[in-house]
Amino acid sequence: DAGVIQSPRHEVTEMGQEVTLRCKPISGHNSLFWYRQTMMRGLELLIYFNNNVPIDDSGMPEDRFSAKMPNASFSTLKIQPSEPRDSAVYFCASSLIEGEKLFFGSGTQLSVL
Amino acid sequence: LAKTTQPISMDSYEGQEVNITCSHNNIATNDYITWYQQFPSQGPRFIIQGYKTKVTNEVASLFIPADRKSSTLSLPRVSLSDTAVYYCLVGPGYGQNFVFGPGTRLSVLP
Repeated sequence: DAGVIQSPRHEVTEMGQEVTLRCKPISGHNSLFWYRQTMMRGLELLIYFNNNVPIDDSGMPEDRFSAKMPNASFSTLKIQPSEPRDSAVYFCASSLIEGEKLFFGSGTQLSVL
Repeated sequence: LAKTTQPISMDSYEGQEVNITCSHNNIATNDYITWYQQFPSQGPRFIIQGYKTKVTNEVASLFIPADRKSSTLSLPRVSLSDTAVYYCLVGPGYGQNFVFGPGTRLSVLP
């Protein structure tokens, strides 16, 4: 199994641009999570899905952030417009069923200039 | 969700046993205790999970006292490659949010 796959690995963009991060969970996993990690705030849970349905998006910082999961094998996290304070590592994780251990991807290093 | 408290950092030497304790005074009856490990530039990796007493796998042991208000992750004979951040999470088996705290930064010295 290839594990959780995230793309791109690195993203550099300018303030105001739209950014789309992508995630392919492990096949057969029913829960998907998006996290953001910074030195100041640590690992923050942004949103999680169960069976492609958003369950808790209370961690999404503001309306500039949106996440979708159109099917069981793909999810996106979009930031529009991006700001320098969005610079962070964004991780996607999946679990077989809700409550089971998480498997993390390698993350996307986002830099907003 | 039960709040957890861990030491911010710990130092150890190669070959020693390391014990990291996590406090979770308001743990609920249906909460499990889960530990993750994170190396620099990588996502966290599951280490071990338990509900009560002791759990052991090829990587670590988890000790949970009867009142379950704390837990201890034990790493036997650490090596330099065990230098990482260790997170303790507490939450129900279902409907869990998987909220990470600041973790414990373990530095293994030669």
